[in-house]
Amino acid sequence: GAGVSQSPSNKVTEKGKDVELRCDPISGHTALYWYRQSLGQGLEFLIYFQGNSAPDKSGLPSDRFSAERTGGSVSTLTIQRTQQEDSAVYLCASSLVPMSGGPIDTQYFGPGTRLTVL
Amino acid sequence: QKEVEQNSGPLSVPEGAIASLNCTYSDRGSQSFFWYRQYSGKSPELIMFIYSNGDKEDGRFTAQLNKASQYVSLLIRDSQPSDSATYLCAVKGDSSYKLIFGSGTRLLVRP
Repeated sequence: GAGVSQSPSNKVTEKGKDVELRCDPISGHTALYWYRQSLGQGLEFLIYFQGNSAPDKSGLPSDRFSAERTGGSVSTLTIQRTQQEDSAVYLCASSLVPMSGGPIDTQYFGPGTRLTVL
Repeated sequence: QKEVEQNSGPLSVPEGAIASLNCTYSDRGSQSFFWYRQYSGKSPELIMFIYSNGDKEDGRFTAQLNKASQYVSLLIRDSQPSDSATYLCAVKGDSSYKLIFGSGTRLLVRP
């Protein structure tokens, strides 16, 4: 079956513009996660969805960042008024069930969207 | 102190040798531990997970966990040039849903 897909693969934008990043999880996966990876760094957790709700948004760096998920499937991460420090690879992952309370379920990552803010 | 620490490397080993990658974590409540491999410009790919003290083997890979020492490692036997990548250690608490990642160790296997 298909893995996690993300679009666009690359996005170059000007400072101050808004961008939308899309994630399509593995079919049947109820949990969806957004991470950010800056150059040479590990992954930084941004937000987690269980179904369409986001129990934890604490990882979002500022109120310029928002995310939604519709139909328990596709998710969109929106960055408003982009800044140069937003430049990073944005990775989406999905898992079959929330990982709380169970070590067996694992997160599968998409190919990422490389965002460059000029 | 970072929550999950890894030596950034690069760790350079000759082809056929054993590569040993190490990771320490600060949260004693951590329950699950994951090793991801990430090739340059690619997304992380799960190699192994472990949640019980001791060793877990899968092919050429062995994960080792010592919760008392808050230490997890990944051994790669018979290293191949294709194993050259960055290896990310990730940790999850029992009631948590998010992975806390280290910054990764870059492995270079010399032909």
